[in-house]
Amino acid sequence: KAGVTQTPRYLIKTRGQQVTLSCSPISGHRSVSWYQQTPGQGLQFLFEYFSETQRNKGNFPGRFSGRQFSNSRSEMNVSTLELGDSALYLCASSLQGTGNEKLFFGSGTQLSVL
Amino acid sequence: AQSVTQPDIHITVSEGASLELRCNYSYGATPYLFWYVQSPGQGLQLLLKYFSGDTLVQGIKGFEAEFKRSQSSFNLRKPSVHWSDAAEYFCAVGLTGTASKLTFGTGTRLQVTL
Repeated sequence: KAGVTQTPRYLIKTRGQQVTLSCSPISGHRSVSWYQQTPGQGLQFLFEYFSETQRNKGNFPGRFSGRQFSNSRSEMNVSTLELGDSALYLCASSLQGTGNEKLFFGSGTQLSVL
Repeated sequence: AQSVTQPDIHITVSEGASLELRCNYSYGATPYLFWYVQSPGQGLQLLLKYFSGDTLVQGIKGFEAEFKRSQSSFNLRKPSVHWSDAAEYFCAVGLTGTASKLTFGTGTRLQVTL
């Protein structure tokens, strides 16, 4: 069974641009969540999607958004990029996203904002 | 709001020595508790999790963790460390019913000397 796939692996953007990151969950998984990892703030929850609906949201500005498609693939978008958005963005999937499930993480997309 | 503290930023142990990584959490009820490991340039892999029941939890790669309610701790242990265990370790807490929305500690980087 293929794992969680995130594309692209690396991205370089400049301030003010926007970016879209993609995540393909494990087959059969319906919950996809996104995390931002930075040296200063560590791992922080962005949002979670289940059945094409945002079910949980972290404390990030509205520039961060996401969506989920009917095949459970998810994208996250960051508009008007800032230098502080440079981070490793991790996607995780699980069957239903409920309390006793294991999250499977992708290898992440490393975003650099210049 | 829940929080997780990992007091040790960096730990160095010799191969074959025992290991204990500390984790303390703050949460009103019994949370879901997790330990994840991250190798350089990779996503996170679940080592073990605790939801209820036996407070000593066995995980993969020979790791175990003990939940101590009185101390609000969930320390990770391994009796004999291997060089391949060098990585960053994250403790995380999840709210009941929302395992996809995790609050992570800042991580402990483990270095193993030969």
